Amino acid sequence: AQKITQTQPGMFVQEKEAVTLDCTYDTSDPSYGLFWYKQPSSGEMIFLIYQGSYDQQNATEGRYSLNFQKARKSANLVISASQLGDSAMYFCAMRELIRTGANSKLTFGKGITLSVRP
Amino acid sequence: GAGVSQSPSNKVTEKGKDVELRCDPISGHTALYWYRQSLGQGLEFLIYFQGNSAPDKSGLPSDRFSAERTGGSVSTLTIQRTQQEDSAVYLCASSHALGGGVKQETQYFGPGTRLLVL
Repeated sequence: AQKITQTQPGMFVQEKEAVTLDCTYDTSDPSYGLFWYKQPSSGEMIFLIYQGSYDQQNATEGRYSLNFQKARKSANLVISASQLGDSAMYFCAMRELIRTGANSKLTFGKGITLSVRP
Repeated sequence: GAGVSQSPSNKVTEKGKDVELRCDPISGHTALYWYRQSLGQGLEFLIYFQGNSAPDKSGLPSDRFSAERTGGSVSTLTIQRTQQEDSAVYLCASSHALGGGVKQETQYFGPGTRLLVL
């Protein structure tokens, strides 16, 4: 079984500063993918970044980067140069890589609320 | 191109009534997922469709829930005899067919349907 843990309380960051959102995971699968999604108040889940368990380098997508520490089973999201529009709920998720069908479903953490202050 | 669309965006119904929620996936995406997001349970997987294959219904919480997908495209989630605990946001996601690599199989979500059962 897979489990994602996001335990930070609501996070606050000053505009233009960087912020790290924590995510730890647990799985017995040797191959897995880790995802971060953003959910603004409108409700839509927006895909941000992906990291594969066998990827040698940490993933980056624009202002988003993933600090992947496999031995610690952590996949923290780093947002650089925060903007007011970054205020949202952020979800860490994972899925197995080897299997198909419904085993491709995402397992989500509880989410972290980020508020960017002007 | 257009993203995943869902309708209605909001639905208020009385306990015991049936409701239908619709999802229109991204054109060319053959995999379709339904998830439920509620305050107490977070995001839960409900059902998975791949093309015209039989769906995987392993996440459906009860036999009051059913879903179909016509022509390998639009999907309808039906909840019969709604209960107050069915109140949640129902999210639909779609992706390319499995087998193209996890990055290609990234799930893209619609805006969700907010269901309130009185």
